[in-house]
Amino acid sequence: AQTIHQWPVAEIKAVGSPLSLGCTIKGKSSPNLYWYWQATGGTLQQLFYSITVGQVESVVQLNLSASRPKDDQFILSTEKLLLSHSGFYLCAWSPDWGNYAEQFFGPGTRLTVL
Amino acid sequence: GDSVTQTEGLVTLTEGLPVMLNCTYQTIYSNPFLFWYVQHLNESPRLLLKSFTDNKRTEHQGFHATLHKSSSSFHLQKSSAQLSDSALYYCALSDQGGRALIFGTGTTVSVSP
Repeated sequence: AQTIHQWPVAEIKAVGSPLSLGCTIKGKSSPNLYWYWQATGGTLQQLFYSITVGQVESVVQLNLSASRPKDDQFILSTEKLLLSHSGFYLCAWSPDWGNYAEQFFGPGTRLTVL
Repeated sequence: GDSVTQTEGLVTLTEGLPVMLNCTYQTIYSNPFLFWYVQHLNESPRLLLKSFTDNKRTEHQGFHATLHKSSSSFHLQKSSAQLSDSALYYCALSDQGGRALIFGTGTTVSVSP
């Protein structure tokens, strides 16, 4: 069975500080990977997607960047946090490429920027 | 560009009553793929049901939805709400490349005894 793990579970960071969030998928080779941001009480906004190692495409940047250093790992980062970065960050994966593929979400990381 | 509209931000109802959540979409493509995701409190979203077939009813866990291309709608319904249905429901549209899901703003459902 596939499992998806995100770290850390929660972070409290200062404005202007760097950030790195991670996501690992186990039990599935070459998954399609996605990063989402969910503002408190807000909608889900897809940020990035990746179909293979080293290849990341931006949907909406929000002054964030993403990388896929390994087949099972997806990293979201920024060098300088803004207040507007606060929210819930979700990593997701799908087994197939295509319009009808279901996405499976990880447990998420709650980020508070002060 | 593609978009999804959910008109109700909050739906409150009593257990046993029917539920209907509205979802309409805009896309230039003739074969849209629509999804309903549900997110319970302190959990991650998970797929509830999906469809790409026009006028065909899709059912899962007591919920059902029918994609109507003529009205660009994919409303979610349940005949009898349960307390455990209290959650945030998102309607989503897949872009034609399958690379992005476009989510609506979500509808919070609160079911009381």
